[in-house]
Amino acid sequence: AQSVTQPDIHITVSEGASLELRCNYSYGATPYLFWYVQSPGQGLQLLLKYFSGDTLVQGIKGFEAEFKRSQSSFNLRKPSVHWSDAAEYFCAVLTSGTYKYIFGTGTRLKVLA
Amino acid sequence: DAGVTQSPTHLIKTRGQHVTLRCSPISGHKSVSWYQQVLGQGPQFIFQYYEKEERGRGNFPDRFSARQFPNYSSELNVNALLLGDSALYLCASSSSGGAGYGYTFGSGTRLTVV
Repeated sequence: AQSVTQPDIHITVSEGASLELRCNYSYGATPYLFWYVQSPGQGLQLLLKYFSGDTLVQGIKGFEAEFKRSQSSFNLRKPSVHWSDAAEYFCAVLTSGTYKYIFGTGTRLKVLA
Repeated sequence: DAGVTQSPTHLIKTRGQHVTLRCSPISGHKSVSWYQQVLGQGPQFIFQYYEKEERGRGNFPDRFSARQFPNYSSELNVNALLLGDSALYLCASSSSGGAGYGYTFGSGTRLTVV
């Protein structure tokens, strides 16, 4: 069965430090991969997506992610975190044929001033 | 352009009652999906509609139902509410019913069942 794992429930970084959020997926075919961000009480905002082609994708707010097929991973990175990046981050797989997202359980990011 | 709009934003219901949640997709989007997000969890897929037909259904009881109207707006109905139905209900729309385009989410309806 398809699944998405985000191994880190909480991550705390200092403002200006680099960030990497981990995401592993289990899916038989080439997946469509997404990262979403959710501020408290809000819906989900798309940060970036991977469909095919270049395995390093750029998103909004200075985020990027790299698709590594051999590791079944799609980790999210940012070179310098801002206090406004504090939120919950969700990795998701969009499954072809069923048209539904499978989300990970999320990683809550805290940013220290 | 307006994004995906959901109404109401918050509501409180009593166990056993019925609730209707509404969603208006982005103009031109023909696909609407519904997700349930329980506190501390990732969203779980409930339904997907494309061109007014149900394309997919998640692992939810028959108390949950939905429909899509000719203008592509959608309603999610939940009967015989349980405490466990308390969650943020998210609607998402896409221009296509197929994978590969991604979905735009609304801000959700926060349902509290007491």
